[in-house]
Amino acid sequence: KNQVEQSPQSLIILEGKNCTLQCNYTVSPFSNLRWYKQDTGRGPVSLTIMTFSENTKSNGRYTATLDADTKQSSLHITASQLSDSASYICVVSAQTGANNLFFGTGTRLTVIP
Amino acid sequence: EAGVTQSPTHLIKTRGQQATLRCSPISGHTSVYWYQQALGLGLQFLLWYDEGEERNRGNFPPRFSGRQFPNYSSELNVNALELEDSALYLCASSLGGHSYNEQFFGPGTRLTVL
Repeated sequence: KNQVEQSPQSLIILEGKNCTLQCNYTVSPFSNLRWYKQDTGRGPVSLTIMTFSENTKSNGRYTATLDADTKQSSLHITASQLSDSASYICVVSAQTGANNLFFGTGTRLTVIP
Repeated sequence: EAGVTQSPTHLIKTRGQQATLRCSPISGHTSVYWYQQALGLGLQFLLWYDEGEERNRGNFPPRFSGRQFPNYSSELNVNALELEDSALYLCASSLGGHSYNEQFFGPGTRLTVL
């Protein structure tokens, strides 16, 4: 069964600190993995996308890693800011299937001053 | 470049009524996706339209339906509203119905059923 699991469910950190969010998946055959940021009540916005051959990709203070062998990805946020408070969603695409996007339930990050 | 737009922003209905939600994709995008996001839950896939045709639907009852117009905009209709239909409904568009084409999301319509 194709699944995407994220951890932790929620996380509270102090402003300026780093944090790492995890995503494990069982989606097969794998096509790509995206991390989205979703502010409360808004639509998700793409942060990074990685294919099978990529094991790291950065977008400013956001760095995503991918281990296709263990089917794990992480999103590392450096020097967190209050505006980083949001839900972070991991989305994995399969190569086949009419509906081949699988969403994690997200990690709710709260950055406090 | 204008992003995905959705209307209305908020919608309040009572049980048994019908709701119509609208979505305009990014110019040039032919695929439109609808998702439901209930409070505290992940996105649940509802419907996928591409080139005016329904390509796939998620595990939702038939009272959730929609269509895509020749200009690629889309409507989501929810009939016989139930309390549990209260959620944020997100529309996304992409260049085509392939997983490697990124989906761009709209701001959503917050539907409240009383």
